[in-house]
Amino acid sequence: EPEVTQTPSHQVTQMGQEVILRCVPISNHLYFYWYRQILGQKVEFLVSFYNNEISEKSEIFDDQFSVERPDGSNFTLKIRSTKLEDSAMYFCASTVSRGRIDTQYFGPGTRLTVL
Amino acid sequence: KNEVEQSPQNLTAQEGEFITINCSYSVGISALHWLQQHPGGGIVSLFMLSSGKKKHGRLIATINIQEKHSSLHITASHPRDSAVYICAVHNTDKLIFGTGTRLQVFP
Repeated sequence: EPEVTQTPSHQVTQMGQEVILRCVPISNHLYFYWYRQILGQKVEFLVSFYNNEISEKSEIFDDQFSVERPDGSNFTLKIRSTKLEDSAMYFCASTVSRGRIDTQYFGPGTRLTVL
Repeated sequence: KNEVEQSPQNLTAQEGEFITINCSYSVGISALHWLQQHPGGGIVSLFMLSSGKKKHGRLIATINIQEKHSSLHITASHPRDSAVYICAVHNTDKLIFGTGTRLQVFP
């Protein structure tokens, strides 16, 4: 069964450094999402992406964050200058092309630790 | 106030018991999702509902759009059902998540 993959599974970085989290959505999916979950808290929406542009973004998704689909398969989340409070699990998700309202398939997550 | 509220926050059960987890929301939605998160962190979609009821194996999900309420039921619970169950609503082009219900089923 097709699945969403994410790399790396765990990233440790120093405060102020740039990180890029990578996701490979399911191949025929057209809508892509990033979510984050701070330890012990609920999952929060960061950004949705469709047709090579941001569809919607949350207040969390400030100028330090950016997303890109550099080729036909990868979907990346970049944090330019990481802060301690960026430490969280980051999940990528994608949906099939039957409109926007559909089952979301989640990747296994990348745990980001900012020291 | 959270836009998506779940109850209970924690639930313990004996194997075989019937489980109900509730979700209420206060925003307009186009669909509601029930998700399962295992201790390793991975999230799996169980159901997506926009009306009525869906059943998959021992899991049943219902939604009442007028009352802005959904329930997830597990019949004949099993220790392998132990996980965090999350209600999330589809609002515009994003999901808004509840805080989750941690279920532990003991043999």
